[in-house]
Amino acid sequence: DIQVTQSPSTLSASVGDRVTITCRTSQSISRWLAWYQQKPGKAPKLLIYKASILESGVPSRFSGSGSGTEFTLTISSLQPDDFATYFCEEYSSYYNFGQGTKLEIK
Amino acid sequence: EVQLVESGGSVVRPGGSLRLSCAASGFTFDDYDMSWVRQVPGKGLEWVSGINWNGDSRSYADSVKGRFTISRDNAKNSLYLQMNSLRGEDTAVYYCAKPYCNDSGCYHFDLWGQGTLVSVSS
Repeated sequence: DIQVTQSPSTLSASVGDRVTITCRTSQSISRWLAWYQQKPGKAPKLLIYKASILESGVPSRFSGSGSGTEFTLTISSLQPDDFATYFCEEYSSYYNFGQGTKLEIK
Repeated sequence: EVQLVESGGSVVRPGGSLRLSCAASGFTFDDYDMSWVRQVPGKGLEWVSGINWNGDSRSYADSVKGRFTISRDNAKNSLYLQMNSLRGEDTAVYYCAKPYCNDSGCYHFDLWGQGTLVSVSS
């Protein structure tokens, strides 16, 4: 089974900050990685798939990079609506999720 | 409107059974594999089970293998999860999820339902 390690678990930042979240996988998954945003009481929302492809309708301040075993999600300039929890998901075999990063207002 | 709507969650005693349903609309249901994903409130996401487009192939997480059964009825555009021998650790919000699929296969989840809460407690 592929293990997915996401960091940090909590991130405090301010509006306008640039933030980065990292996911590492226990074995190479090429670029089969997605990022989701989740707000309390809501289902996850797809942001990025295949490591770096922005889902339609997602603001361009979100970007993803990486391949193999290390991946990053970057938000270039935080907006108030971005404070939420973020998950990565590898889908090279079955589906395995990272533990989540809660992005909080500093 | 493209959507998934889960139902069937409730409070159940340990050892009990429950059947979840997911009604799909707005897309051609039998073109897609489907999955169930669960989330303990305040915690991470766990893929539970998946089924291919015609129901011939099913897969399960080790944590539910032998206790849960996934099925679908394409005529009713519906996905199901039969949960038996329920345990406290099965308490979670259960989401129905549709992957993006093309001729090469199925990939990330691009559509989720709103979730249904299952609480296993005596």
